[in-house]
Amino acid sequence: GENVEQHPSTLSVQEGDSAVIKCTYSDSASNYFPWYKQELGKGPQLIIDIRSNVGEKKDQRIAVTLNKTAKHFSLHITETQPEDSAVYFCAAITTWGGSYIPTFGRGTSLIVHP
Amino acid sequence: NAGVTQTPKFQVLKTGQSMTLQCAQDMNHNSMYWYRQDPGMGLRLIYYSASEGTTDKGEVPNGYNVSRLNKREFSLRLESAAPSQTSVYFCASSEAGTGELFFGEGSRLTVL
Repeated sequence: GENVEQHPSTLSVQEGDSAVIKCTYSDSASNYFPWYKQELGKGPQLIIDIRSNVGEKKDQRIAVTLNKTAKHFSLHITETQPEDSAVYFCAAITTWGGSYIPTFGRGTSLIVHP
Repeated sequence: NAGVTQTPKFQVLKTGQSMTLQCAQDMNHNSMYWYRQDPGMGLRLIYYSASEGTTDKGEVPNGYNVSRLNKREFSLRLESAAPSQTSVYFCASSEAGTGELFFGEGSRLTVL
């Protein structure tokens, strides 16, 4: 099955700095790569995603890049703010019997210091 | 606009007791999932249901059973709870073909 590795497990930055979280995956058939943000006491929520026919996607201060050859994708957050503090999960989507089964990384705890 | 609703939010069980976690979604999604979240382990898939009437095992199904009661509801049952099942459980749903998951707020279960 799919295996997703995510680094770092913890990331501490100063407000205004950039933050980068990296993920690698193993199944070359995976073609959809979402990123989720989980705030304390809540369920994860999709913040950005990328499909395999695209190399980069940007939405205001967040961007995701994908390198299918190397099987890795990254989340970039610029001009970080305290409200960006949360746990971030990457995922790779494999199709199994017509279903989309996300495999998640272990998460990155991002701490933005004011 | 409730989205995905899980009950209960908190539960404490003794080893060997049974319980059912309930999940309901109001987005008319075909697919539903149960994940467990443990520190440092991320989100691990327990069971999923691609559509009403079907269920399949995920990565960590042992000790659990599920029922897709109808299109809206997907329950997770622990027949004989063990301390290793202490975790936060998340239900999620998605529209077939999109891949985007919508999560509930979680159910925190402690087994003593």
